[in-house]
Amino acid sequence: DTAVSQTPKYLVTQMGNDKSIKCEQNLGHDTMYWYKQDSKKFLKIMFSYNNKELIINETVPNRFSPKSPDKAHLNLHINSLELGDSAVYFCASSQPPGRPEQFFGPGTRLTVL
Amino acid sequence: AQSVTQLDSQVPVFEEAPVELRCNYSSSVSVYLFWYVQYPNQGLQLLLKYLSGSTLVKGINGFEAEFNKSQTSFHLRKPSVHISDTAEYFCAVSYRYSGSARQLTFGSGTQLTVLP
Repeated sequence: DTAVSQTPKYLVTQMGNDKSIKCEQNLGHDTMYWYKQDSKKFLKIMFSYNNKELIINETVPNRFSPKSPDKAHLNLHINSLELGDSAVYFCASSQPPGRPEQFFGPGTRLTVL
Repeated sequence: AQSVTQLDSQVPVFEEAPVELRCNYSSSVSVYLFWYVQYPNQGLQLLLKYLSGSTLVKGINGFEAEFNKSQTSFHLRKPSVHISDTAEYFCAVSYRYSGSARQLTFGSGTQLTVLP
């Protein structure tokens, strides 16, 4: 009965490959997010979707493309992976405006070789 | 854009001692405040939140924080820490992005290490 789940937990791949990370939430929330945590543990928002509609799109290379097939899922596809993409990626969800706190998934550690 | 400053990157403290982790943010206009904890190789867990009302908020695991609008601070405190409190702690501010959308900005984190 995990609230926010991500797959895979670990992802090791070569430069230039394309990979996807999946996220699902069973909290009934309308809003979902992707964050990147770098090696210094700094967390930065990448994207946010509300009811399948993109609402926040921070300065992220267009090699990153989020897709929301329904409001319970938000996947992240990354093309032409680069060394600098190595990080931990977190998915989160919330139900603003009444419940603005975000609930986070366990993270996906991406290592690009 | 909002900014969040966590003044201490590392805080070592002995078991059963009190601790305060400091957090300052850039503006108090329509902000919500949060503290999250991250244990090694895990996701972020919400410790407590301030949305409105009483400026002293209590969270899980015996933590509390005080919202100080004049000083734009939201410091986290615990009167007596345990070894199991060793983790990374993040202060975060939620502010209005556009329309009804809100964006969460995180501080750089404070590593709390509880020593026996």
